[in-house]
Amino acid sequence: GEDVEQSLFLSVREGDSSVINCTYTDSSSTYLYWYKQEPGAGLQLLTYIFSNMDMKQDQRLTVLLNKKDKHLSLRIADTQTGDSAIYFCAESQPLNTDKLIFGTGTRLQVFP
Amino acid sequence: DTAVSQTPKYLVTQMGNDKSIKCEQNLGHDTMYWYKQDSKKFLKIMFSYNNKELIINETVPNRFSPKSPDKAHLNLHINSLELGDSAVYFCASSKGTGADTQYFGPGTRLTVL
Repeated sequence: GEDVEQSLFLSVREGDSSVINCTYTDSSSTYLYWYKQEPGAGLQLLTYIFSNMDMKQDQRLTVLLNKKDKHLSLRIADTQTGDSAIYFCAESQPLNTDKLIFGTGTRLQVFP
Repeated sequence: DTAVSQTPKYLVTQMGNDKSIKCEQNLGHDTMYWYKQDSKKFLKIMFSYNNKELIINETVPNRFSPKSPDKAHLNLHINSLELGDSAVYFCASSKGTGADTQYFGPGTRLTVL
């Protein structure tokens, strides 16, 4: 199957950590991505992880991958109001790695 | 020095019309893509081209015809527009095929009345 699921909304207080979760169905996915979409804007690649890694850290962003459970998460430390956006996870297909399957998107709202 | 650009940003048109959306990338990438994002923000790939050749052609009505005059451009022409075509269309590019990172344009919001 090609379903990539995310919870639709997340609301956090400024300064707290945010954790956005994603579950995917294809255990043979090669790369998994996190994209950010700000209102009225295109998608911006935040980070990605290769499927043989468990964790990747990039400044305030930490990606955790649990291949057994097909679960991907994005943790944003010290969340700021500028982090308010929709976050999409995406998986690449093993037989056609050009093709990204996107999750449903999680709308993150950061309040002061 | 925009990496992936699309024109127009907004497009409002009547049902039955034919319209085109243009995409250009200045990253020197070989592969370009079109995605459709519906009103619920679901993103689905439509087409991809590598070196001007069609690679991915998802289940898209044949009213949609991509054209790649050169590696830096991938245009999307839509004939006989329907209400259900209203969406945001994103262009993207990547260095090669495979798992190379895709970079997205700002999107074109198409509204069909």
